[in-house]
Amino acid sequence: EPEVTQTPSHQVTQMGQEVILRCVPISNHLYFYWYRQILGQKVEFLVSFYNNEISEKSEIFDDQFSVERPDGSNFTLKIRSTKLEDSAMYFCAVLLTAGEYTGELFFGEGSRLTVL
Amino acid sequence: GQQVMQIPQYQHVQEGEDFTTYCNSSTTLSNIQWYKQRPGGHPVFLIQLVKSGEVKKQKRLTFQFGEAKKNSSLHITATQTTDVGTYFCAGQGMMKTSYDKVIFGPGTSLSVIP
Repeated sequence: EPEVTQTPSHQVTQMGQEVILRCVPISNHLYFYWYRQILGQKVEFLVSFYNNEISEKSEIFDDQFSVERPDGSNFTLKIRSTKLEDSAMYFCAVLLTAGEYTGELFFGEGSRLTVL
Repeated sequence: GQQVMQIPQYQHVQEGEDFTTYCNSSTTLSNIQWYKQRPGGHPVFLIQLVKSGEVKKQKRLTFQFGEAKKNSSLHITATQTTDVGTYFCAGQGMMKTSYDKVIFGPGTSLSVIP
């Protein structure tokens, strides 16, 4: 089964600081996603990434957020100036199959971000 | 925009009782997926339904996709303590591409009392 490794598992930061969350898929994947989950709430779509560019983003994904895949391996989510309301679990996901039917999303274990 | 709703929000059952969660989309879906998230864990894919009226079973779990492809249900027969967790339905709208975003419902949190 393919694995997605996320680092850090937990990050505590001061409001206004920049944060970079990393995702490393073990197997080759083309489609990447970031989701976030505020404690006890729903899993919210942030952004999808395909062919080294954003394919779709939600209204949550404002100018404070950016994604990139700088070295063809790591897939990163950057929050430029964190706010208290950015405190959440951030999940990286990859699409396992594509084609005629949509495939399943395989989630990493998540990075918990706490903004103080 | 597309919204996915689920009821109930919470369900407490005695071990051995059945459990059902219902999912409803504001728009027609091209597919419905179900995920399970254990407390403190990450969402784990359970199944995908694509066809109108489709029914799939996984041991004690039965999944249905409505005829209009706007609703779905998950039924667990004879719950066990290992079934504890939050069950999310998730779906894609009528897709332009196979990698379109998957929108999650708010989830149903299941507690099983031994």
